[in-house]
Amino acid sequence: GAVVSQHPSRVICKSGTSVKIECRSLDFQATTMFWYRQFPKQSLMLMATSNEGSKATYEQGVEKDKFLINHASLTLSTLTVTSAHPEDSSFYICSANLIAGGPRGQETQYFGPGTRLLVL
Amino acid sequence: KQEVTQIPAALSVPEGENLVLNCSFTDSAIYNLQWFRQDPGKGLTSLLLIQSSQREQTSGRLNASLDKSSGRSTLYIAASQPGDSATYLCAVPDYTGANSKLTFGKGITLSVRP
Repeated sequence: GAVVSQHPSRVICKSGTSVKIECRSLDFQATTMFWYRQFPKQSLMLMATSNEGSKATYEQGVEKDKFLINHASLTLSTLTVTSAHPEDSSFYICSANLIAGGPRGQETQYFGPGTRLLVL
Repeated sequence: KQEVTQIPAALSVPEGENLVLNCSFTDSAIYNLQWFRQDPGKGLTSLLLIQSSQREQTSGRLNASLDKSSGRSTLYIAASQPGDSATYLCAVPDYTGANSKLTFGKGITLSVRP
């Protein structure tokens, strides 16, 4: 099946620094990737939709200048948390769309293993 | 706005028991519904995807049903095993806008006792 990787799997950083998280689709091309954030005992909340070659679409309440998304190729999207603060500590998960073709409802999202961010 | 609810938040059962996990959604105009498994500190693994035209899907000991009109889906796990312990999430796609996105429930954390 389709595989999505994330790097790093875990990162600890000081408050005020920036952290970059990579999301790669290993054996398929993804024109669309999604970035989610998950707080403890909470569900996944979509942060933004990343489209190859164009600007990302951010969900309401997500600061685009703080969470920079770049989707430079069909297999790579990056999320950069700028000037990270302790409240940014969370589990960040990306997913990539594998479109089976046909009408709506045929897309399948494959999820990466997640990145645990801890900001001290 | 679509809302997905999973109750209860946690469930503990003895090994071997058959169990049902529930998922409800407010907007019945869905294209499909997907069940995922998440192990602690890990990403999501897709278990089953039911198209809106289907009533159920089966994979091994797992069976997922979908009743669009009532806004409900269930995940049935037969003969549960300790290895089934995980959080189970359901999600439906939202096609508002240019891209589809998934709306998730909060998940049900299952613990299967040996």
